[in-house]
Amino acid sequence: EIVLTQSPDFQSVTPKEKVTITCRASQSIGRSLHWYQQKPDQSPKLLIKYASQSFSGVPSRFSGSGSGTHFTLTINSLEPEDAATYYCHQSSRFPGVTFGGGTKVEIK
Amino acid sequence: QVQLVESGGGVVQPGRSLRLSCAASGFTFSSFGMHWVRQAPGKGLEWVAVISYDGSNKYYADSVKGRFTISRDNSNNTLYLQMNSLRAEDTAVYYCAKEGTGYDLGGDFDYWGQGTLVTVSS
Repeated sequence: EIVLTQSPDFQSVTPKEKVTITCRASQSIGRSLHWYQQKPDQSPKLLIKYASQSFSGVPSRFSGSGSGTHFTLTINSLEPEDAATYYCHQSSRFPGVTFGGGTKVEIK
Repeated sequence: QVQLVESGGGVVQPGRSLRLSCAASGFTFSSFGMHWVRQAPGKGLEWVAVISYDGSNKYYADSVKGRFTISRDNSNNTLYLQMNSLRAEDTAVYYCAKEGTGYDLGGDFDYWGQGTLVTVSS
């Protein structure tokens, strides 16, 4: 099973600050890495697919990068509505789908 | 617009069964693989099962293999999860999610339902 390790687990950030979340895979997964945002009491929403492709309607301040075992989700100029938990998800070793443990972003 | 609406959750005793449904609309249901993903209270996401667009291929997480069965009715645009021999550790919100690419499996999940809570307790 491919293990995805996210860091940090928690981040407290002021509005307009830049946020960087890392997801490391235990084996190379190419670019089969996707990012989701889950706000409290809501279902997850797709932000970035295949490491760097923005999903339709996602604000441009969200971007993704990386390949192989190291991936990054960046939120440029954080907005108050970005308070959420962010998850990475790998689909490289299908059907062995796995998710990262999540990174909670709090607004100061 | 794409809508996925789960139903069927509730409180059930250990060892009993429950069937979840996911009603889909706003896209050609019969062209997309579908997943179930669950989230225990206060925990992260755990993939449960997937079914191909035509129902010919099904895969399960080891934690539910042999107890859960995924199925679909393309004529009624509905996805199902039959859960047998339920355990306390199956307590979670269960989400259905749509594959991002038609006729394919192993990609992103581009739309999710709102979830249905299953509580396994005596």
